[in-house]
Amino acid sequence: EVQLLESGGGLVQPGGSLRLSCVASGFTFSSYVMSWVRQAPRQGLEWVSTLGRSSGSTFYADSVQGRFTISRDNSKNTLFLQMNSLRAEDTAVYYCAKFRIGAISDFDYWGQGTLVTVSS
Amino acid sequence: EIVLTQSPGTLSLSPGERATLSCRASQSVSSSYLAWYQQKPGQAPRLLIYDTSTRATGISDRFSGSGSGTDFTLTISRLEPEDFAVYYCQHYGSSLWTFGQGTKVEIK
Repeated sequence: EVQLLESGGGLVQPGGSLRLSCVASGFTFSSYVMSWVRQAPRQGLEWVSTLGRSSGSTFYADSVQGRFTISRDNSKNTLFLQMNSLRAEDTAVYYCAKFRIGAISDFDYWGQGTLVTVSS
Repeated sequence: EIVLTQSPGTLSLSPGERATLSCRASQSVSSSYLAWYQQKPGQAPRLLIYDTSTRATGISDRFSGSGSGTDFTLTISRLEPEDFAVYYCQHYGSSLWTFGQGTKVEIK
C-alpha cells in the first residue's frame, strides 16, 4: 500500500523558515517524480514544486521561486521542502504527491498534509 | 501559462441526478494531460480521471471524463451520497502543473 506521510508543519513568524518532510512507503521511491501541492484555508489547490527522480530536475511555481527548495533522499525514501522567507500568504496545508508515471503526469497518491501557519 | 476555469462554482443536485462539471483552458492543451480530482472536507485530493478520460484505479464507472482542445467535462452519471465533494481539474505539462479553482457539488 502506497503511503505518504508529511511532517514538519507548524507556526512560524513572517520571514522565518521551515523544513517539511514526506516519508514514502509501498513503492520504489527512487523511481518516481514527486511534488508538493498546497491549499490555503478554504481555497483551492496550488502546485508548489516538482522534483525529478534523481534530483536532476526541479520546478517551482513563481510564487515560491527563490524562497523554497525541493530535495529528496532516495536512501531514506524522503522528500523535503525547505521554505525560507515565509510570508503570510504561504499559510496552507502542504501535501506531497506522487507522479503516476513518467516525467509529465498527474498525481495518483497524496499524503494527508501538514499545516503551515505564517503569523506573528 | 495555462489558466483553467471551472464552472459552475457550485452545483446543487439531488442523489440520483446527473452532474456535469466543466473545465475550460485558456489555450488548447493536450488531451493526454488533463486530470480530475475529488476532495472531501479534511481529506487529501483523490485522483479520479487522468488523460482526460481514463478512470484511475478503483474509481466507479459512474465517473467519466471527456473533451479536447480547451473544453473538458467530468460527468457523474448518478450521484451517490459519497459523491458530494469538491472537484478540481488539472493540466500537467513539462514544467508546470495547474489546477482549476474547483466546483463544489452539494446536496440540494
